Amino acid sequence: SQQGEEDPQALSIQEGENATMNCSYKTSINNLQWYRQNSGRGLVHLILIRSNEREKHSGRLRVTLDTSKKSSSLLITASRAADTASYFCATDGGSSYKLIFGSGTRLLVRP
Amino acid sequence: DGGITQSPKYLFRKEGQNVTLSCEQNLNHDAMYWYRQDPGQGLRLIYYSQIVNDFQKGDIAEGYSVSREKKESFPLTVTSAQKNPTAFYLCASSTRAPRGNEQFFGPGTRLTVL
Repeated sequence: SQQGEEDPQALSIQEGENATMNCSYKTSINNLQWYRQNSGRGLVHLILIRSNEREKHSGRLRVTLDTSKKSSSLLITASRAADTASYFCATDGGSSYKLIFGSGTRLLVRP
Repeated sequence: DGGITQSPKYLFRKEGQNVTLSCEQNLNHDAMYWYRQDPGQGLRLIYYSQIVNDFQKGDIAEGYSVSREKKESFPLTVTSAQKNPTAFYLCASSTRAPRGNEQFFGPGTRLTVL
């Protein structure tokens, strides 16, 4: 089964609004990553947060991690139409070189 | 211009045929990965390789085979034993350590069985 599960599965917002996506996972981790995928394209790495970090920022992105709840959130502030994409969280399962991806959140930003 | 490339972008296969998907990287990464993505779904790991001449099965390896003869290349063969091969295939690479590093993805190959 998937290690990470994103919530909601789909999100539609107006340009300028904030978008929040959540990810839950099942086992201990070394780090958690967020990726973005435009339709029909490969994934692009957005941000990595380590298990000893609680919050991380990168431009308009803010990621939080709560290891006690085994959950993470990705906040995109002041969204733009170009942010329309699918967003995936990925974890390393705590002991592996491979990543385990969730099923993703499809974000639509309406102009 | 460093990156990871996949070819072809679109591939059509008749039932019973084997096809090979190409993946090449010039990022000097030790580790390479193959994923399968079905419509509206996340990525599932097919095979991965941490070093040349070594590879391990992922979660859905049945019906697939790989080789890692060169650091830059990690081709995936979809065999006739794979009963439902129509999907989007993504190749990725990363540095080998520390664990769980950022992965760099190619643009993908969309395979359709006719």
